[in-house]
Order: sequence, then structure tokens, then C-alpha cells
Amino acid sequence: AQSVSQHNHHVILSEAASLELGCNYSYGGTVNLFWYVQYPGQHLQLLLKYFSGDPLVKGIKGFEAEFIKSKFSFNLRKPSVQWSDTAEYFCAVKLGSGNTGKLIFGQGTTLQVKP
Amino acid sequence: NAGVTQTPKFRVLKTGQSMTLLCAQDMNHEYMYWYRQDPGMGLRLIHYSVGEGTTAKGEVPDGYNVSRLKKQNFLLGLESAAPSQTSVYFCASSYWGSSYNSPLHFGNGTRLTVT
Repeated sequence: AQSVSQHNHHVILSEAASLELGCNYSYGGTVNLFWYVQYPGQHLQLLLKYFSGDPLVKGIKGFEAEFIKSKFSFNLRKPSVQWSDTAEYFCAVKLGSGNTGKLIFGQGTTLQVKP
Repeated sequence: NAGVTQTPKFRVLKTGQSMTLLCAQDMNHEYMYWYRQDPGMGLRLIHYSVGEGTTAKGEVPDGYNVSRLKKQNFLLGLESAAPSQTSVYFCASSYWGSSYNSPLHFGNGTRLTVT
């Protein structure tokens, strides 16, 4: 069955540390890839997305992610985290091209940044 | 500029009761989704719709029904609520086309407790 796996469930970092959150998916066809962030008490907001082209995509707030097709991965990175990055992060994969519609989320990673 | 609106925001049900969650979007999006969010499990797709009059099963459809009679509305029904359906429910909408793709736009969620 198609699935999305986020390896890190809970990450604790100090401010200015570098961040990398893993995301792998199991689907052999065309995919669109997303990272969403959910701040405490709020709904999900888009951080960045990959549809095609340059596999290194840059999003808001200094986040970036790299799509490595051979590894079925789309890891999220940030060189220097801030206390305000404390949130839950979700990787999501849309299966198939065009209008197939099905979009699956990973289990989420809780990031806690200590000031 | 409302975006995606979910009603109600909170609800407490007794086991066996029924209810309907309403999702409305004003962005003329074709695609609409219902997810449930549970701790440690991320967002799981319940049902989705790729257009007016269409619905499809997601990852966890059992115990839920949906309808998309109008393009702007997507209803999620629980015919006989169970404690296992205690969760936060999110509606989302998007547009997937050949020349433009939008990410998901989320509602603010409905917190449902079944006792």
C-alpha cells in the first residue's frame, strides 16, 4: 500500500542548530511533494512544495527540501532554527499526476526548539 | 475572503448518535478532502472528492459517509458515533490542473469527542 514515513517523531534542538527531517514515500509513479507546518492551536500551513523541475525547492521562513527520486525521499532542512519554529511538521505526497487527487500525509514530526 | 470554513468547531456526542460536519470553500476548488488527526498518527485521509457529485474512499473510510452535492460543500457524516472516532477533523480543498496546481487549503478543524 502507498505510504509516507517520517522517521523522526520528536526532535529537540537548540536555537541556531541545523535541522533535517526525513520523509520517504512508497509509490512508484509520479508524485507531487509537500511539507506542511502546524503551529500550536492552528491549522496546517504550506511550507514548500515540489511539482517538477529543480529538485531543490525553497519555501517560506528559510526552509528548503530536496527531492531525491532514486531514494523516494523529500527531506526538509533549515540551516539555523529559531524558537518560533517550534511546531509539528508533516510531509505529504500526492499520488499520480494531474487530477487523481489522493494526497497522503506522514505521521508528523514534533520539533521543539529550546531558546 | 473566507477560504475553507468548517462547522461546528467543537462537538460532544454520545456513542450511537449521528452528526454531520460541514465544510464550505469559496475558492472554486474542484478537490475537497476530509482528514482526521490523531496524536502520533498524523493526518489520515477519510474520504475525498475530485468534483461535484463524486466521492472516493481514503485510508480510513469505515464509519463515515460523505456527500458533495454542490461544488463548494463537502459533508462528512457519522451515522453511529463510536469513541474511536474521537479526533480532530480537518477539511481541505485544492485545485489540480494541467497548468496550475494549488496546495491544500485547510479549515480550522472540528474537535469531536464521543463519550
